[in-house]
Amino acid sequence: QVQLVQSGAEVKKPGSSVKVSCKASGGTFSSYTISWVRQAPGQGLEWMGRIIPILGIANYAQKFQGRVTITADKSTSTAYMELSSLRSEDTAVYYCARGGSSRPFDIWGQGTMVTVSS
Amino acid sequence: QSVLTQPPSVSAAPGQKVTISCSGSSSNIGNNYVSWYQQLPGTAPKLLIYDNNKRPSGIPDRFSGSKSGTSATLGITGLQTGDEADYYCGTWDSSLSAEVFGGGTKLTVL
Repeated sequence: QVQLVQSGAEVKKPGSSVKVSCKASGGTFSSYTISWVRQAPGQGLEWMGRIIPILGIANYAQKFQGRVTITADKSTSTAYMELSSLRSEDTAVYYCARGGSSRPFDIWGQGTMVTVSS
Repeated sequence: QSVLTQPPSVSAAPGQKVTISCSGSSSNIGNNYVSWYQQLPGTAPKLLIYDNNKRPSGIPDRFSGSKSGTSATLGITGLQTGDEADYYCGTWDSSLSAEVFGGGTKLTVL
């Protein structure tokens, strides 16, 4: 049974960066596509980007181009999402999910709350 | 403003049926598979329907999906109070080269 376990909540200052991790257990990590989806308080779901670990190739939503970096460490079955130049509007729950590349998001992490506040 | 359009809310009585619509365009729903997700309060989304009308293992057949042209519909029969949640449609958008979601529909079981 595949599970995705994310790192804990973060509080960051405006202008700083945050790096959230997503560790997979079960299954073959390298063959997945891992996406990152965020949800601002009281708002809907927003896709940020994805990575295929076996290829090491990441693709990003245009809105986040230049500010987000998604990476994966095959040796530890862990994906990472780093968001820079944080502003208050980036306050949200960040989820990793297996899927993307036209496949459904069938497994989700528990979410990581990132709060951006001075 | 979401790329896919859903009604903000729907409601129905226990035991009744409800449908939730999701409207898009030829660059997304019209040429790609649609998925539906259920998000209970304070939890991560859960896959309900994929490939327009398929249910993952463990999802009861009270939940169904369909697609016609550039619109998709989620149907829920035999409503239960435990179905109260936010529901999102999602698909790939070929023009944006991005996964896109609807704005979400809050289901209230009266």
